[in-house]
Amino acid sequence: GQQVMQIPQYQHVQEGEDFTTYCNSSTTLSNIQWYKQRPGGHPVFLIQLVKSGEVKKQKRLTFQFGEAKKNSSLHITATQTTDVGTYFCAGPSGGYQKVTFGIGTKLQVIP
Amino acid sequence: EAQVTQNPRYLITVTGKKLTVTCSQNMNHEYMSWYRQDPGLGLRQIYYSMNVEVTDKGDVPEGYKVSRKEKRNFPLILESPSPNQTSLYFCASSYSVGRYNEQFFGPGTRLTVL
Repeated sequence: GQQVMQIPQYQHVQEGEDFTTYCNSSTTLSNIQWYKQRPGGHPVFLIQLVKSGEVKKQKRLTFQFGEAKKNSSLHITATQTTDVGTYFCAGPSGGYQKVTFGIGTKLQVIP
Repeated sequence: EAQVTQNPRYLITVTGKKLTVTCSQNMNHEYMSWYRQDPGLGLRQIYYSMNVEVTDKGDVPEGYKVSRKEKRNFPLILESPSPNQTSLYFCASSYSVGRYNEQFFGPGTRLTVL
């Protein structure tokens, strides 16, 4: 079945440094979503990318969808302590009815 | 307030004692889903439902049952819980599948099976 791989699994950065997490799918995706889960919380939707090569920005967060629609990335510029959490990518699978999540990247920001 | 609610939030039980975790959404969403979250394994989909009376298996359905008799409710049933079902469970809903499928997650249920 479809696999969604996400790296790195953990990342520690100094506050102010940049951070990137990468997501790769074994199959072409119709869309990809990104979620953030704060420690002790539940996943919260950040964004959905649909078009090949799409780039979207939300303040310091930049999301990209690859040209082949098999990979995606989330880049955070100048991290802040409020960015701490686990970031997940997710894509449809199994005829677009199932959803497969990446393993997540846990971000720690050192003040 | 638009939300997904789950009950209970915490549950400690023993092997073999049937339990139900309830999930309810007030957004008139068609699609509902259950996930389990385990360290190092991320979120894995257990079951999903496209609409009332339409349910199907996710990636890890063994040991679980679901039902969707009403649009707003999607309970998760563990007929005979085992310790390997100790996990953090999330219910989620979305308007539909396809392009507009932002999922809203409940607060989670932490289950311990002794």
